[in-house]
Amino acid sequence: QVQLVESGGDVVQPGRSLRLSCAASGFTFSRYSIHWVRQAPGKGLEWVAVISHDGNTKYYADTVKGRFTISRDNSANALFLQMDNLRPDDAAVYYCARGAIAGATYPHDYWGQGTLVAVSS
Amino acid sequence: DIQMTQSPPSLSASVGDTVTITCRASQDISIYVAWYQQKPGRVPKCLIVDASILQSEVPSRFSGRGSGTDFTLTISSLRPDDFATYYCQKYNSAPFTFGQGTRLEIK
Repeated sequence: QVQLVESGGDVVQPGRSLRLSCAASGFTFSRYSIHWVRQAPGKGLEWVAVISHDGNTKYYADTVKGRFTISRDNSANALFLQMDNLRPDDAAVYYCARGAIAGATYPHDYWGQGTLVAVSS
Repeated sequence: DIQMTQSPPSLSASVGDTVTITCRASQDISIYVAWYQQKPGRVPKCLIVDASILQSEVPSRFSGRGSGTDFTLTISSLRPDDFATYYCQKYNSAPFTFGQGTRLEIK
């Protein structure tokens, strides 16, 4: 069965960095784009970033562009989100979510359970 | 960037009612809209893709319509398990924007 398991969430001070990971299993990871989606406490879903199946194409929400970097290691079935210069409004549960198979257009059919990032001095 | 405007923000209904949630895109996005259900403390669940195609095991009382800029999610014969928050999302291209959400509450 498809599984996505996030890790790396923590409490960090504003301006510091954090790296999130997402371990995938149960499907051919290298064939799918993968996204990060976040949800601040009591708020709605916010799309953060996507990386193509081969890692060559990346897109970011304007709110994180220039501060966050998405990457993947297909040999390890792993996705990453490097978050630099964190701000209080980056505090949220961060989900990794499967996207479309290469060449297709599709939303998020599988989600991880999320990892919590808190940003506080 | 294309905006997704979802309405209403909240909705109060009774078991057995039929409700409709609307999502409007600021530009034509063809049929590339998904609808998600999220219950408190739970992960979002994809209900509908391509505006109207139900995901497997989603009850037929859920239905989606629309294309271009206007989309709807209708839930017929509401059951207690349906009271949750619902989100639309565009996925034709990045950014994959979500609507603001609609909280469906029991009257």
